[in-house]
Amino acid sequence: GAVVSQHPSRVICKSGTSVKIECRSLDFQATTMFWYRQFPKQSLMLMATSNEGSKATYEQGVEKDKFLINHASLTLSTLTVTSAHPEDSSFYICSAVGGGGTEAFFGQGTRLTVV
Amino acid sequence: GIQVEQSPPDLILQEGANSTLRCNFSDSVNNLQWFHQNPWGQLINLFYIPSGTKQNGRLSATTVATERYSLLYISSSQTTDSGVYFCAVWGSGGSNYKLTFGKGTLLTVNP
Repeated sequence: GAVVSQHPSRVICKSGTSVKIECRSLDFQATTMFWYRQFPKQSLMLMATSNEGSKATYEQGVEKDKFLINHASLTLSTLTVTSAHPEDSSFYICSAVGGGGTEAFFGQGTRLTVV
Repeated sequence: GIQVEQSPPDLILQEGANSTLRCNFSDSVNNLQWFHQNPWGQLINLFYIPSGTKQNGRLSATTVATERYSLLYISSSQTTDSGVYFCAVWGSGGSNYKLTFGKGTLLTVNP
């Protein structure tokens, strides 16, 4: 199967700082990438959908100025958590879909802790 | 939007037992995927199955799209099968072009 790499896998940052998470498709071109958030013992919650070269589409209730998404190339999307606060602490996961298909492949996830 | 329900929410098995996990969905879908989330959080693709039956080793899956459900079978379970199993469905396009996840089934396989 296709490989999606997400970095970092774990990050601790101070309240008020910004954190960038990268999601790369290693062996295919990802026309669409998705960003999810997962709370402990819960399912994945879609935050936003990004298509290469266009603005991300955010789900209802997700602050676009808080969670900046950039999909500058067919192999890279980034999620920046701006002015992070402890309530932003969570597990963030990206997925990628390529070539008009609908099979999604997921990165390893990033555990963000804001102190 | 599409609703996805998984059952059971929790399942405890002895090693070697078989199990069936169910996924019901509320509307017609383009596709369906089953995932296993391991203890480190990684989602592993198990099946991409819009309809019919597929098998991969001890795991198999069947989707009956006309009746809006899918089943995941695990045979001769092993402790490494423990984790959360998610079913996720793709909507039929437009604003529905996204994966909607069920709440998952937490499987614990004891030695």
